[in-house]
Amino acid sequence: SQTIHQWPATLVQPVGSPLSLECTVEGTSNPNLYWYRQAAGRGLQLLFYSVGIGQISSEVPQNLSASRPQDRQFILSSKKLLLSDSGFYLCAWGRYEQYFGPGTRLTVT
Amino acid sequence: ILNVEQSPQSLHVQEGDSTNFTCSFPSSNFYALHWYRWETAKSPEALFVMTLNGDEKKKGRISATLNTKEGYSYLYIKGSQPEDSATYLCAFNGWGSNFGNEKLTFGTGTRLTIIP
Repeated sequence: SQTIHQWPATLVQPVGSPLSLECTVEGTSNPNLYWYRQAAGRGLQLLFYSVGIGQISSEVPQNLSASRPQDRQFILSSKKLLLSDSGFYLCAWGRYEQYFGPGTRLTVT
Repeated sequence: ILNVEQSPQSLHVQEGDSTNFTCSFPSSNFYALHWYRWETAKSPEALFVMTLNGDEKKKGRISATLNTKEGYSYLYIKGSQPEDSATYLCAFNGWGSNFGNEKLTFGTGTRLTIIP
């Protein structure tokens, strides 16, 4: 069966510091991978999606970036965090049905 | 930009009562409508996927209906229990983006609290 992992579970980072969130999927190959964010009082917003290694599409321009160095690994990064980057970050895999990881709660102080 | 809206934003229901809430979505280029249940500190869990106009799905005390012509779906919970407390998200799959039908647009959710 398929499993999706995300880490860390929670993170508190100062403004201007870098960010790296990692997501890995087991039990499937060549999955579509997605990064979503839920900011306070907002819905789930798609940030990035990837259909294969090195293929990243961005939905929302911002100071975040994503990379897919391996088939089942998806990384969300930032060089300098902003206060507005605080939120709950979810990784998902799938195609027209999507399955979510446990999420990372990021607080930028 | 696709508009997927859910109402109400939040709802308090007495244990044992039944309730329902709404998701509205674009009626053009429809492919599928998804419902997810999202408990605090857990991952969103898929409840239903509906693709055909008039679809009705049921899982225990929870059911959902779909009207693709007018662009809405209802989620019903019969005999609410405390464990039903969660945020219920709907997500729209449409054709036409450069990602085919593989992109979900989520509503903001309905936060349901069951009062014992």
